[in-house]
Amino acid sequence: SQTIHQWPATLVQPVGSPLSLECTVEGTSNPNLYWYRQAAGRGLQLLFYSVGIGQISSEVPQNLSASRPQDRQFILSSKKLLLSDSGFYLCAWSVPGAGANVLTFGAGSRLTVL
Amino acid sequence: TQLLEQSPQFLSIQEGENLTVYCNSSSVFSSLQWYRQEPGEGPVLLVTVVTGGEVKKLKRLTFQFGDARKDSSLHITAAQPGDTGLYLCAGRKGGSEKLVFGKGTKLTVNP
Repeated sequence: SQTIHQWPATLVQPVGSPLSLECTVEGTSNPNLYWYRQAAGRGLQLLFYSVGIGQISSEVPQNLSASRPQDRQFILSSKKLLLSDSGFYLCAWSVPGAGANVLTFGAGSRLTVL
Repeated sequence: TQLLEQSPQFLSIQEGENLTVYCNSSSVFSSLQWYRQEPGEGPVLLVTVVTGGEVKKLKRLTFQFGDARKDSSLHITAAQPGDTGLYLCAGRKGGSEKLVFGKGTKLTVNP
């Protein structure tokens, strides 16, 4: 069966510090991978998605970046965090090309920037 | 502008009541999904609808996809405290690999 792991679960960082959130998927190959951000328990904003190694599509201009160094690994990074980067970050995967593109989410990473 | 509008944003009801939440758009979607999210966790898929006019039932939950595939509704019969959560609709346009989410309806069912 497929599983998705996301870490760290909770992170408190000062403004201007770097960020690295990691996500890995097991039990599948060549998944589509996604990073979403959720503010204050509301809707999900798509940040990045990837359809293959090294292929990253950015949805929202910001000081965040994403990388996919391996097939089932997706990393969200920042060189210098802003207060507005605080939020709940969710990684998800889906089967490419599947009819409805159902997403399976990780448990999320809560980032607080102080 | 929000591609998918969900209403109401907040809903607080008593156990045993019925409710309907809506997901509307001016765009056509090839498929639409409903997820439920509990605090501190990732959303979990409830249902996928792909055909205009389609109705799907999941125990006390009934999902409908509009005939024109622009909107959807979720009806819960005899709500229970365990139904409490954030209900999110998400749509896929054409063959896009992206899924666009609404802002969600936060449901609280009081015992």
